[in-house]
Formats: sequence, C-alpha cells, structure tokens
Amino acid sequence: AQSVAQPEDQVNVAEGNPLTVKCTYSVSGNPYLFWYVQYPNRGLQFLLKYITGDNLVKGSYGFEAEFNKSQTSFHLKKPSALVSDSALYFCAVRDRNDYKLSFGAGTTVTVRA
Amino acid sequence: SAVISQKPSRDICQRGTSLTIQCQVDSQVTMMFWYRQQPGQSLTLIATANQGSEATYESGFVIDKFPISRPNLTFSTLTVSNMSPEDSSIYLCSVDSRGENTQYFGPGTRLTVL
Repeated sequence: AQSVAQPEDQVNVAEGNPLTVKCTYSVSGNPYLFWYVQYPNRGLQFLLKYITGDNLVKGSYGFEAEFNKSQTSFHLKKPSALVSDSALYFCAVRDRNDYKLSFGAGTTVTVRA
Repeated sequence: SAVISQKPSRDICQRGTSLTIQCQVDSQVTMMFWYRQQPGQSLTLIATANQGSEATYESGFVIDKFPISRPNLTFSTLTVSNMSPEDSSIYLCSVDSRGENTQYFGPGTRLTVL
C-alpha cells in the first residue's frame, strides 16, 4: 500500500517570500515522487519529480523539491513566491515497480501581493 | 511530454442520462488512465484503459457505471452512465510516459449533473 500526506490544507505567503509545501509519503518499495499544480478550471500540470540520483530536484517555474529518505518527505519549495503561484498543489507517489499514482489531498497556496 | 486533449471541456447533464468523454493523445502510449476529482477533493483513479482488452477498474468502480473504450494507442473514451448528482466531478485522463516514468494529464472535463 502507498499513501501521501499533505499536512497543510492551505499555505499563505507574501509575494517575494519563500514558499514551502509539505509532503510525506509511505510506500513499500522505492518511491517515485511527483509534484503537480492545478490552476482554477485547469487540469493538472507536472512540476517536477524524483526518480533517482540527486536528492534535490529542480522543476518548472523555479520550483524545487528535496527527497529525504529518512524522513520520507518530499517538500516543495520556491525561494521567492509570485502571486501567479497561487494554485492547488498535489504531491503524488508510486512504487517503482508499479504504475499507479497515489495523490495527497492537496494544498491550496495563496500568495498575496 | 505528450499533448492530451479532452472533449467536452464541460457539460451540464440531467440525472439518468449518460455522457461520453473523449481523450486524445498526440503520440502512441501504452497506458492511459481515467481519474475522478470530486469537488474540493483529490484525484481518485477510476481505471486503467488497456488497448485491445478490457479496462482494469479500481475498487469502488464498475464497468456498468463507467464503461471505457481503448480502440487504439492514441484514443480512449470514458462513459458516465445513468448519472446522478453525486457524479458531478472533474474527470481527467492521463498517459504514462514510460520513457520518463511520468504521468501527464489532460485538461479535464467538468461535469455537473442536475
């Protein structure tokens, strides 16, 4: 069984401040980890992923995430948030030997000007 | 990454009717998936659409309610049958880009059942 926890329903930050969206996971084998973003009335857009290699992965729009195996975490970060980053963010996990993705509940990010 | 389109983008339907949602990909893919996103909720996998064979459904979803077709490697349909207001959701298709180990999603179909 696999699961994802996003402990914060909402994250509010001021524009220009650092943004962090938390994610922890549980999977029986080795994980593939993903972040997706959903803007209002839009589908899911892929942001970044951890497959193997460097624990710090960089993705679209200046986002990055760090894989921490000991803490089973994959937090999403952006050094300087923009108002346009306001959206719903989903963390997802799959076992390397499976194709099924499990999603977290989502975190709504609001960046105020 | 694959470019995925869905039709319709949104619809309002009467209870008891059925709606078929189309998903088109710009390249051949082995695996296609259908998800449901209920209002304010996360994504739940409905089924995996297999080319040349029946779809594989997740627990809580059945073929009579959500029949799926996969006639070729670039196209799939999901039908929501005998709809009720509880079926009001966003339905998304996705494809697994095996070479990238990543699922990419279509824009979704927003369904409202009255």
